[in-house]
Amino acid sequence: GAGVSQSPRYKVTKRGQDVALRCDPISGHVSLYWYRQALGQGPEFLTYFNYEAQQDKSGLPNDRFSAERPEGSISTLTIQRTEQRDSAMYRCASSAAKGQTLSGANVLTFGAGSRLTVL
Amino acid sequence: SQKIEQNSEALNIQEGKTATLTCNYTNYSPAYLQWYRQDPGRGPVFLLLIRENEKEKRKERLKVTFDTTLKQSLFHITASQPADSATYLCAPQNSGGYQKVTFGTGTKLQVIP
Repeated sequence: GAGVSQSPRYKVTKRGQDVALRCDPISGHVSLYWYRQALGQGPEFLTYFNYEAQQDKSGLPNDRFSAERPEGSISTLTIQRTEQRDSAMYRCASSAAKGQTLSGANVLTFGAGSRLTVL
Repeated sequence: SQKIEQNSEALNIQEGKTATLTCNYTNYSPAYLQWYRQDPGRGPVFLLLIRENEKEKRKERLKVTFDTTLKQSLFHITASQPADSATYLCAPQNSGGYQKVTFGTGTKLQVIP
């Protein structure tokens, strides 16, 4: 697509439920990133993929969080047994059309985010 | 551990003045450093990228410097305008393409008319 699309934009769930957040990156982008952002803070790195391979998941807070990108395009971030502390804005970004980077760097294009509220 | 530090306190300046924002990093050897702008309720938007072998980069009223010895980048907005009010984020990045990108906490800039 033309931009990075995230769904749902807003999700309210009860503690203990599982949630799945979806990211549809810019078509052809190699890299896909997930971040979590609290109010007044910078984006906190969670995990990223190059194609379908998860390159780094060091930012996932615990084993209730997982992410996948099975066909190297759409990605899903899943949070199992949600807790109130999981409430945040979850942002996805994509970068790097295949064979092209800006001077060798990854320049990210962000989606609008998914606001998760756990009651 | 790796750390990216930006002024957590908001920066308030008068319209027309130059705003200078600081990004310090530790335990990084970045080949690039990126700056993004974030408006309330929106995702960050890329502004400028500077490479380790570049001392300075300019784009219109924006200027970025990169000192790998001091492990610091400065971001300047000259002739600031109220529309420049936003949070500005820095992101050092290692070389090799398709790399992990982590952000500082951001500095909120308020330009007062």
